[in-house]
Amino acid sequence: DIQMTQSPSSVSASVGDRVTITCRASQGISSWLAWYQQKPGKAPKLLIYAASSLQSGVPSRFSGSGSGTDFTLTISSLQPEDFATYYCQQSYSTPYTFGQGTKLEIK
Amino acid sequence: EVQLVQSGAEVKKPGESLKISCKGSGYSFTSYWIGWVRQMPGKGLEWMGIIYPGDSDTRYSPSFQGQVTISADKSISTAYLQWSSLKASDTAMYYCARRIRGSGSYLFDYWGQGTLVTVSS
Repeated sequence: DIQMTQSPSSVSASVGDRVTITCRASQGISSWLAWYQQKPGKAPKLLIYAASSLQSGVPSRFSGSGSGTDFTLTISSLQPEDFATYYCQQSYSTPYTFGQGTKLEIK
Repeated sequence: EVQLVQSGAEVKKPGESLKISCKGSGYSFTSYWIGWVRQMPGKGLEWMGIIYPGDSDTRYSPSFQGQVTISADKSISTAYLQWSSLKASDTAMYYCARRIRGSGSYLFDYWGQGTLVTVSS
């Protein structure tokens, strides 16, 4: 299985801050990576796919980059509704493993 | 409008069997893979497996192979996740999600609302 490791596990930030979350794959996955946002009691929501493509309807303050083994999700200016948990997922090969999640909390 | 609607919450005893469902609508159900994801209380997302309803081709995560069965009935646009003998450790929220291809990658664009399974004696 491909292991996905996110860092940090949690981060505290303020409204308006720029935040970057990192995801590392245990082997090269090209651009077969997606990012999801999950709020308490809700299903995950797709933000970014193919490492850097923004899902329709997702605000442009979210962006993704990377290829191979190292990827980042950046939120350029945090809004109150962005406080949630974020997961990366590889779809290069089954099982389509997730990172352990990064909880974004209000400072 | 694409929708995945999952069956309601279940409370079961250890050793009992269970089958939960995920009904797709608003798209060609037989043309897209459906995946299942587990989320144990307070924990992260775990990918369980995926099925192609068109021909029932199924792939399992090694962690879940032999522990659950994924199936689909294309005549009613419904995918299933089932257990033959539940354990307390199966207590979790279970999500289904549709896989599509975009920009040369796979993604899960629509998700069900989740089915909470509680296993307790």
